[in-house]
Amino acid sequence: KNQVEQSPQSLIILEGKNCTLQCNYTVSPFSNLRWYKQDTGRGPVSLTIMTFSENTKSNGRYTATLDADTKQSSLHITASQLSDSASYICVVRLTGANNLFFGTGTRLTVIP
Amino acid sequence: KAGVTQTPRYLIKTRGQQVTLSCSPISGHRSVSWYQQTPGQGLQFLFEYFSETQRNKGNFPGRFSGRQFSNSRSEMNVSTLELGDSALYLCASSLVSGVSTDTQYFGPGTRLTVL
Repeated sequence: KNQVEQSPQSLIILEGKNCTLQCNYTVSPFSNLRWYKQDTGRGPVSLTIMTFSENTKSNGRYTATLDADTKQSSLHITASQLSDSASYICVVRLTGANNLFFGTGTRLTVIP
Repeated sequence: KAGVTQTPRYLIKTRGQQVTLSCSPISGHRSVSWYQQTPGQGLQFLFEYFSETQRNKGNFPGRFSGRQFSNSRSEMNVSTLELGDSALYLCASSLVSGVSTDTQYFGPGTRLTVL
């Protein structure tokens, strides 16, 4: 069964600290994996996208990694800011089909 | 360039009624997808339209339907509303359909509450 699981469900960190969010998937055949950031009351915004052959992708203070063998991805946030408070959603796409599988997200709260 | 717009932003309906939501994609984008987001289920794919044709459909009952117009604007309709239809409905647009790395841009969503 194609599934995407994210952990932790929620996370609270101090401003300036780093954190890592996890995404495990069983989707196959895999095409790409995308991380989205969703601020409260807004639609998701794409942060990074990685295909099978890529194992790391950065976007400013956000760095995503992908291990296609173990079917795991992580999103590392460096020097967190209050504006990083949001839900982070991992999305995996199937090869050859326009099918997307969404994780339920990690709710990150950055406190001063 | 204007982003994806959705109207209305908030809706309150009662069980049994029907509702129509509207989505205007980014100018030049021809693919529009709809999603339902609830706290328990997260984001779930409803359907995708490209060039006025439904290209893909998620696992939702026939009460959920949609269409796309020649200007790429899309509407989603839910008939015979149920309490469980209360959710944030998100629309996303992209340039084309079927390109796996094509980025989807999401609108702010329509918050539907069914009483």
